[in-house]
Amino acid sequence: GDSVTQTEGLVTLTEGLPVMLNCTYQSTYSPFLFWYVQHLNEAPKLLLKSFTDNKRPEHQGFHATLHKSSSSFHLQKSSAQLSDSALYYCALSANSNNRIFFGDGTQLVVKP
Amino acid sequence: DPKIIQKPKYLVAVTGSEKILICEQYLGHNAMYWYRQSAKKPLEFMFSYSYQKLMDNQTASSRFQPQSSKKNHLDLQITALKPDDSATYFCASSLTGGPSAETLYFGSGTRLTVL
Repeated sequence: GDSVTQTEGLVTLTEGLPVMLNCTYQSTYSPFLFWYVQHLNEAPKLLLKSFTDNKRPEHQGFHATLHKSSSSFHLQKSSAQLSDSALYYCALSANSNNRIFFGDGTQLVVKP
Repeated sequence: DPKIIQKPKYLVAVTGSEKILICEQYLGHNAMYWYRQSAKKPLEFMFSYSYQKLMDNQTASSRFQPQSSKKNHLDLQITALKPDDSATYFCASSLTGGPSAETLYFGSGTRLTVL
């Protein structure tokens, strides 16, 4: 079946340092991968999603590259900001019903 | 203005009672979804509807029943409530619900507490 794994439950780092949140997946199809972000007391919203033509999606300084060989879609940013503190979900869509599976989420805490 | 309206924002219920969670979307989308978020299972898919037809159901219990009276409405009826049902329930929508990488747009959620 389809699944998404986010190994880190909590990532704490200092403002200005690079961010990398891990995401690996399993799918019998060729899936689309997403990153959603949820700030405190807010609804989740799309941060970025994979393209079919291997372009690297970018948004608000974040980027992610779909590596089919390693089944990964890690989220990266060169320099963390305090406002990046949030819950980040990696998600996968692979079947005809457009059911989107979410990983367990990674809480990112950026400290001054 | 919020494009996906969920009512109520907070809900407290007693064990064994029945509640209805309301969701309306004004994005012109044809697919709607329910997700549940709790400490035990973050963002768990429950149901998806496309053009008012049930497309997918990952909720084992029949106590959870989605109701679509209009294309832009997808309510969630929960009967015989249990404390384990305590969670934040998010409604979401997407353009068609078809086999593509559609973006999900979430409402602000209904936080349900069952005592």
